[in-house]
Amino acid sequence: QKEVEQDPGPLSVPEGAIVSLNCTYSNSAFQYFMWYRQYSRKGPELLMYTYSSGNKEDGRFTAQVDKSSKYISLFIRDSQPSDSATYLCAMKGGTSYGKLTFGQGTILTVHP
Amino acid sequence: SAVISQKPSRDICQRGTSLTIQCQVDSQVTMMFWYRQQPGQSLTLIATANQGSEATYESGFVIDKFPISRPNLTFSTLTVSNMSPEDSSIYLCSVEGSQYGTDTQYFGPGTRLTVL
Repeated sequence: QKEVEQDPGPLSVPEGAIVSLNCTYSNSAFQYFMWYRQYSRKGPELLMYTYSSGNKEDGRFTAQVDKSSKYISLFIRDSQPSDSATYLCAMKGGTSYGKLTFGQGTILTVHP
Repeated sequence: SAVISQKPSRDICQRGTSLTIQCQVDSQVTMMFWYRQQPGQSLTLIATANQGSEATYESGFVIDKFPISRPNLTFSTLTVSNMSPEDSSIYLCSVEGSQYGTDTQYFGPGTRLTVL
């Protein structure tokens, strides 16, 4: 079993839809949780990160972490065609300078 | 966020040869990391590079195959040695620490390697 599981999709939604992306994990030592967006032929771009449980909002993006369930989510409101990309969840433990463990990525397409 | 560049951006190489990938960041950082992203897959950490010490390799990756240098706080290189087609991947560097904090990592644009 992988430490981080992410539904690879692909996920196709109409413009303006609310998108929900999710990851589950098994390692209870993970403390930092990140979402990256990766456009085709580009490096991963950090969207949001959170520490421990809770919610964090940034514009149209909301990240949620539920450590009791070992479950994290990224919500995208009012999705746009420019949101079409691969979304990667990543996690690391509580120590500094730790390795990131990634989910396999969800391919999202937002069609006009 | 960090401004990170990688050279080359892409290359096509013959099997048995070696390629050195450079990673440059715009400000001093404590740690630099090298990841591999195989076609259609997610990122896997190859090694962690701390300035002034030997790189630390993850299980399944060895120094003879992926030697790493970290001569200063803004630069690192990864060499892919004696390449085979299975080494065809995107190689990404990331940074952590100093002004960029230790909560997360910032990634470069990647080097797309094809081995024939």
